[in-house]
Amino acid sequence: GENVEQHPSTLSVQEGDSAVIKCTYSDSASNYFPWYKQELGKGPQLIIDIRSNVGEKKDQRIAVTLNKTAKHFSLHITETQPEDSAVYFCAASTYSSASKIIFGSGTRLSIRP
Amino acid sequence: EAQVTQNPRYLITVTGKKLTVTCSQNMNHEYMSWYRQDPGLGLRQIYYSMNVEVTDKGDVPEGYKVSRKEKRNFPLILESPSPNQTSLYFCASSSPGNTIYFGEGSWLTVV
Repeated sequence: GENVEQHPSTLSVQEGDSAVIKCTYSDSASNYFPWYKQELGKGPQLIIDIRSNVGEKKDQRIAVTLNKTAKHFSLHITETQPEDSAVYFCAASTYSSASKIIFGSGTRLSIRP
Repeated sequence: EAQVTQNPRYLITVTGKKLTVTCSQNMNHEYMSWYRQDPGLGLRQIYYSMNVEVTDKGDVPEGYKVSRKEKRNFPLILESPSPNQTSLYFCASSSPGNTIYFGEGSWLTVV
């Protein structure tokens, strides 16, 4: 069945360094790839998303890249700050069916002062 | 303010005692879903609804029921809760092709 694999499961980086989280998906029909950030005690919140007609998207310190041929996409956070510490989830779906979205297993990112 | 509101936020219950977790959204979204979050397993979809009176099973529907009588509400029903349903539950809503909004989560413990 459809599957999204996410790596690493935990990541610790020095404040100011970059963090990269990678995901692969199995369903070639997927064309919408959102990333969610979940802070302690809260629900996941969308931080950035990318659609399959775009290879890269950037929003300030956050960027996402997509390689449709290889079926993988990545989240890049530059100049990390303490408030970036959270659990991050990637996901894949066909954007016309947002009710059926497959999430990765999550990455716990810790920023060391 | 766009919101998905779920209640209760925290609940400890006993095996077999029926319970309902309510979910309400104020964005007039067609799609609503329930997920459970367990360590190392990410978010797994329990049930989803594409509109009023239209519901379908997600990846882990066993032991759960839902209903969608009104567009804004999508309650999750555990008819006979068991300890393996101890989890963190999220309700979510969206309109087609757009951002999914999540509630704040409901911590459920079944003893």
